[in-house]
Amino acid sequence: DIVMTQSPDSLAVSLGERATINCKSSQSVLYSSNNENYIAWYQQKPGQPPNLLIYWASTRESGVPDRFSGSGSGTDFTLTISSLQAEDVAVYYCQQYYSRRTFGQGTKVEI
Amino acid sequence: QVRLVESGGGLVKPGGSLRLSCAASGFTFSDYYMSWIRQAPGKGLEWISYISSSSSDTNYADSVKGRFTISRDNAKNSLYLQMNSLRVEDTAVYYCARDVTPNAFDIWGQGTMVTVS
Repeated sequence: DIVMTQSPDSLAVSLGERATINCKSSQSVLYSSNNENYIAWYQQKPGQPPNLLIYWASTRESGVPDRFSGSGSGTDFTLTISSLQAEDVAVYYCQQYYSRRTFGQGTKVEI
Repeated sequence: QVRLVESGGGLVKPGGSLRLSCAASGFTFSDYYMSWIRQAPGKGLEWISYISSSSSDTNYADSVKGRFTISRDNAKNSLYLQMNSLRVEDTAVYYCARDVTPNAFDIWGQGTMVTVS
């Protein structure tokens, strides 16, 4: 199975500042036939199910604020929150769907 | 609106069995792959199984292979997870999710708690 490793495990960011979460896959998740990276990002708030933010590594799901952005290719990916808001406090997960499905261990974002 | 509602969780002894259900509404259930994902208390997410729209393709995480069986009834807009030989480490909230293969999980249910003790 493809192992997804996120860093850091947690981070504290001031309101209005940038938050950056990294995700590394144990093998490339770039599908050569369509040049897409099979990576998604989710946000999970306490007591709620996860919410899809980003798919294909950089495509924002409908309704997701544009302060959330995804980047990267191959094995290294990043989720960036450009200006942290109070409602962004949550745990964030990366996930690959290149081969079956696996999640990273999660990154807790706090103020 | 698009909705997934899980049911069937509860307390079961080690070695026991449980069947989870997921009722879908608001979309054409038979068009989509579906998955089960679980989350142990205070832990991260673990994908455990998917099933194709026609049930022809299923896959399982190694941690549940041979013990859990995923199935669906498109006529009833329902997804199921039969869990046998349950272990203490299977204790978790179990979510069903719409699996937009080859893509992400775009719709999630609220989850149902399974406690093996």
